[in-house]
Amino acid sequence: EVQLVESGGVVVHPGGSLRLSCAASEFIVDAYTMHWVRQPPGKGLEWVSLISWDGGTTYYADSVKGRFTISKDIDKNSLYLQLNSLRTEDTALYYCTKTNYYFKDQGAFDIWGQGTMVTVSS
Amino acid sequence: QSALTQPASVSGSPGQSITISCTGTSSDVGDNNDVSWYQHHPGKAPTLMISDVSNRPSGVSNRFSGSKSGNTASLTISGLQAEDEADYYCSSYTSSSTYVFGTGTKVIVL
Repeated sequence: EVQLVESGGVVVHPGGSLRLSCAASEFIVDAYTMHWVRQPPGKGLEWVSLISWDGGTTYYADSVKGRFTISKDIDKNSLYLQLNSLRTEDTALYYCTKTNYYFKDQGAFDIWGQGTMVTVSS
Repeated sequence: QSALTQPASVSGSPGQSITISCTGTSSDVGDNNDVSWYQHHPGKAPTLMISDVSNRPSGVSNRFSGSKSGNTASLTISGLQAEDEADYYCSSYTSSSTYVFGTGTKVIVL
């Protein structure tokens, strides 16, 4: 079964850092553009970042640019999100998701993980 | 990048049809056909319902359909059923090579 499983969500103080991981099963992350999407408690979905299928291009939402870094490890077939300089407004459930077309930069998000919760609080 | 605008809620009785609008700009919805719709039940992962404005993925009921005119995309649910009650989000690729979601719409089945 094609699956994504996120991990790494914790409670962290403002200004802190952490790394989220997303393990992929039954497909190769090297063939698909991958994304991170988050949902703050009681609020809507917010797109966070993408890494192109070939790993050559990354993009970020303005709200996280300069603080978050997306990456992937082909050998571990996993996606990552490094979160630095965390703010209380970064508190959210973080989902990883893949696009529906292989070897393409664009596409809809057809497979989602269950999410991992990041809480930024003093 | 501002969120796409959706109505906060839409309601209908079982069997009726409802339409959810998603209004963006000429830099996102009006700029390309990479517009998609997601159903989200609380506590579960979102589910892709429509891709590329109007394509329905395998396994999605044909009661769901999508369209676009100018800067506004729409999702129509026909033959409304109790299990359709959920939050729905649109998403669009943007001219900045990023993505943006809509504000979300709660569908209420009366």
